[in-house]
Formats: sequence, C-alpha cells, structure tokens
Amino acid sequence: SQQGEEDPQALSIQEGENATMNCSYKTSINNLQWYRQNSGRGLVHLILIRSNEREKHSGRLRVTLDTSKKSSSLLITASRAADTASYFCATVHGSSNTGKLIFGQGTTLQVKP
Amino acid sequence: GAVVSQHPSRVICKSGTSVKIECRSLDFQATTMFWYRQFPKQSLMLMATSNEGSKATYEQGVEKDKFLINHASLTLSTLTVTSAHPEDSSFYICSGGQGGFSTDTQYFGPGTRLTVL
Repeated sequence: SQQGEEDPQALSIQEGENATMNCSYKTSINNLQWYRQNSGRGLVHLILIRSNEREKHSGRLRVTLDTSKKSSSLLITASRAADTASYFCATVHGSSNTGKLIFGQGTTLQVKP
Repeated sequence: GAVVSQHPSRVICKSGTSVKIECRSLDFQATTMFWYRQFPKQSLMLMATSNEGSKATYEQGVEKDKFLINHASLTLSTLTVTSAHPEDSSFYICSGGQGGFSTDTQYFGPGTRLTVL
C-alpha cells in the first residue's frame, strides 16, 4: 500500500520560478528519497535524506524533512523546461531490513518555457 | 552511478500467453532486486522483493503464481507474467541496490511497457 501522499498532484509554473512539492508519510522511516520520472521512462534518483537529517541540498534541489510532522518537501529553484516530469517521494520503513521503498502518489510538474 | 537494464522495453502479446521480463544490474551485484508495477498516471506499486538464490517475497494482493520471479544470479532477476490478460497491461519497473539498504540508493531500470491484447 502507498505510504505517502504528495501535494500538489499537479503543478504548472513558468521557467525561472521555484517549484515546491510536499510529501507526507504515515509510519516511522529510516530515510526518505525523491525521484524524478520523465513520461514513460524509468526513475532517476535525486536525493536521499536520512531520518536524523533536516535539510539537504543538491544543485538546484533542496529537500527538508520534518519527522515530527512526518513530512518532507522538495524545492526546485530556478526551474527549467527540462525539469518537466513527475516527482515521487519514497520512504524506507524504520524497521526495514530489505530497503523496500514505498512510494507517494507523485506530483506532476510542468515548466513552461 | 550504477546501471540497471531491462529487456524488452516494450512487448505486446495476446491474452493467455506468458511474457518474461529481464532485469540486469550491469556494473554491480544486486543481492536484492525489487519489482514494481505502474499504471498510467499512477505511482509505483511494489509487487515483490527478489533475493538471489531464494524465493521472492510478494506484497499483499500480488499473485505469486501469476507473477513468477526468479533471481538466479547477483546480476539477473526475471519476472514472468503467466497467462497474461488485458488487465495486466502496465509499466513494469525493476530496481536493485548494492547492499546496506537502510542507507543505500536503489537504481531503477528503464521499465518495460506490457500491452496485452
């Protein structure tokens, strides 16, 4: 079953603007990961944040994690048309010894040139 | 980063036939591989966890006799959809990791689009 919910489900912005996507989850986690999927393609790993971390950066990406609220956000700054894709958060359960990922519903981002 | 391939990328088959999908880790050994299914405009649903040399662990609601998983080596896992029906049409994605899953990243294959007529 799906662990998380993401909002918004769809987001449309102009190139150069920032995009923020949120993810909520239900159980304790070991880590939370964000992935990107271009239409009809596989997933690309963007960033992993561990349960004892609060914020992480990678290029134009900034991820925050609030374990007290069981939520995470992904911020893409200075968006580009090439950022158009679906973005998924995925969690590894706190007690998991298999690394099984449970995915959120995803946010579809459209960046208009 | 580590590379995972899937073959075929697309397959169209008649209802009642079986289809095999291969998932290979090209430059690393994947002790565990995962199989996901994704319906249009939906998220990925984990189907099963495949461990090299042992039986796969299926998620609730996934029929193990319909979706046969074999993980015969550290670089190859296969998913066979037996007696496929139109409702099995979906995007199937595999992933593998290099171990230490509590902190490691999974690497995803490009997916296989299955269409059952």
